[in-house]
Amino acid sequence: DIQMTQSPSSLSASVGDRLTITCRASQSINTYLNWYQQKPGKAPKLLIYAASTLQSGVPSRFSGSGSGTDFTLTISSLQPEDFATYYCQQTYFTPRTFGQGTKVEIK
Amino acid sequence: QVQLQESGPGLVKPSETLSLTCTVSGVSISTYYWSWTRQPPGKGLEWIGYIFYSGSTTYNPSLKSRVTISMDTSKNHFSLRLSSVTAADTAVYYCARTSSGWSGEMDVWGQGTTVTVSS
Repeated sequence: DIQMTQSPSSLSASVGDRLTITCRASQSINTYLNWYQQKPGKAPKLLIYAASTLQSGVPSRFSGSGSGTDFTLTISSLQPEDFATYYCQQTYFTPRTFGQGTKVEIK
Repeated sequence: QVQLQESGPGLVKPSETLSLTCTVSGVSISTYYWSWTRQPPGKGLEWIGYIFYSGSTTYNPSLKSRVTISMDTSKNHFSLRLSSVTAADTAVYYCARTSSGWSGEMDVWGQGTTVTVSS
């Protein structure tokens, strides 16, 4: 299976901070990489697909980049509603594996 | 708008079969792919598999011997069956609409249903 490794696993940040989360694949996955946000007790929500395409309705402070094995999710100015856990998922290989998640907490 | 709703027993005995249904409204399931994903308590997400309207399926190899995903277009729903369950199958189970494009993103999710495996 393709291993997806996110870093950091957790972080504390303040409202207004610029945040970057990294996702690394154990093999090249081109740009077959999606990002999801999950809040406690809720289903995941799609933020970014195909590595860098913003899902409709998602605020423009979210952006994604990368290709091959290294990807990033950036939040340009953290808002109170952004405190959540973020997951990357590759869809190039079966099984479609997720990263272990990055929990973003309030500092 | 498109909505998905999971339903099924919340408690399943070990060695029995878990059966869940995802009812879709707002779009015909005769388009897109349709996926199942699960999340054990306090843990991350695990992709289970998906079905296309043609009936073709793709499963996680770690579950392939025990899982079946099917669909009923007349009822606009699709289903998950997982046999020979153990405590390790205790999780929140989510269904999701999945893009038929190359990126395969899951853009609409159900709220999730909790399944506990216990005698």
